[in-house]
Amino acid sequence: DGGITQSPKYLFRKEGQNVTLSCEQNLNHDAMYWYRQDPGQGLRLIYYSQIVNDFQKGDIAEGYSVSREKKESFPLTVTSAQKNPTAFYLCASSVGGPDTQYFGPGTRLTVL
Amino acid sequence: AQSVTQLGSHVSVSEGALVLLRCNYSSSVPPYLFWYVQYPNQGLQLLLKYTTGATLVKGINGFEAEFKKSETSFHLTKPSAHMSDAAEYFCAVSGGSSGSARQLTFGSGTQLTVLP
Repeated sequence: DGGITQSPKYLFRKEGQNVTLSCEQNLNHDAMYWYRQDPGQGLRLIYYSQIVNDFQKGDIAEGYSVSREKKESFPLTVTSAQKNPTAFYLCASSVGGPDTQYFGPGTRLTVL
Repeated sequence: AQSVTQLGSHVSVSEGALVLLRCNYSSSVPPYLFWYVQYPNQGLQLLLKYTTGATLVKGINGFEAEFKKSETSFHLTKPSAHMSDAAEYFCAVSGGSSGSARQLTFGSGTQLTVLP
């Protein structure tokens, strides 16, 4: 079955540590996205990539980094510079343009 | 620039009653509009979308929405609520076909509670 996988489902991190969230898709989509979700604030765009080896900052990119070395993969690193990283992180992909985005199951990150 | 406003962060209805979740948008170009549903600790699932053409859009699980350009609205409705409809619902807009206008902008969500 085609879809988007995110791992791990739950992640715990100590303050000062970097952590990488995985996102893989087998939908053959060109575009991939990372969102952060906090209660009552909807989804906010962190980074997006419209093609391999290219990505752009979203609305809240500070303290995050990404790479897009393969079409199927778009990992997100939450760095120690991110002041409040505890949140639910969602990865999505789309064919491109203003088309429908399909979402993974999410990773819940908690900083201890 | 584009934005989405969802009126009512929490909506409660009785089982069998009409569901109405409100969404207003702003967009400088003809918009694409979406409704997504999210169950606890899960990703978002597409309910329906409007791109062009017929302004009344039917989606999954008996939901539908009507694009009203004059009112800049895209309200979500379902004639009869089921207990399984309890979830959080997000309206989103995507305007145009280039650069940042391709991105989805989400509303802050509406939590739907269905009472027995």
